[in-house]
Amino acid sequence: EVHLVESGGGLVQPGGSLRLSCVASGFTFNRYWMGWVRQAPGKGLEWVANIKDGSEKYYVDSVKARFTISRDNAKNSVFLQMNSLRAEDTAVYYCTRVGDEYCSGGVCSSSYYYYMDVWGKGTPVTVSS
Amino acid sequence: DIQMTQSPSSLSASVGDRITITCRASQTISNYLNWYQQKPGKAPELLIYVTSSLQGGVSSRFSGSGSGTDFTLTISSLQPEDSATYYCQQSFSIPYNFGQGTKLEIK
Repeated sequence: EVHLVESGGGLVQPGGSLRLSCVASGFTFNRYWMGWVRQAPGKGLEWVANIKDGSEKYYVDSVKARFTISRDNAKNSVFLQMNSLRAEDTAVYYCTRVGDEYCSGGVCSSSYYYYMDVWGKGTPVTVSS
Repeated sequence: DIQMTQSPSSLSASVGDRITITCRASQTISNYLNWYQQKPGKAPELLIYVTSSLQGGVSSRFSGSGSGTDFTLTISSLQPEDSATYYCQQSFSIPYNFGQGTKLEIK
């Protein structure tokens, strides 16, 4: 069975740092993009970052230069290093697998269609003094 | 950035009803549109990807359509377990923005 399990969340002061981890199981990890999505208390979903490999990483503007996404394929893990944290970063952070398979005419193949097809349960991050 | 706007923000319907949620993109996204369901206290789950492809294990009561800038999620014959918040998301360009969500209450 496919699973994503996040850890590393907690309470941190403004300006502080946290490193979130996500361990994957049940699928060929290095075949997939991976990502993070967050949800502030009582709010909607916000895409944060995606990673394919060491060379392809993308971020929402609000976290660029502060957050770094990385992965260790040998450990089936993806990470989110969060620095210079702000109150507005307070949220539940979800690890996601990014699917890209698309079937057309009975033929399925990798594509440029991306969707978050597996989600972890989330890890809460609170930035407060 | 492409902005996604859902309507309505909330709705209430009865068991057996057919409902439609609309998602509009601020610019064309072809068919790069996904739908997610989130129940209270739970992680979101993928319902539909690439506008109309049903994710495995999802009830056939859910369907999606649209192209360009206007998309719809339809749930036929509502069931009590459909009570949730529904989000659209575009994957045409970074950042992969979500809509603000539509909260569905089952009367």
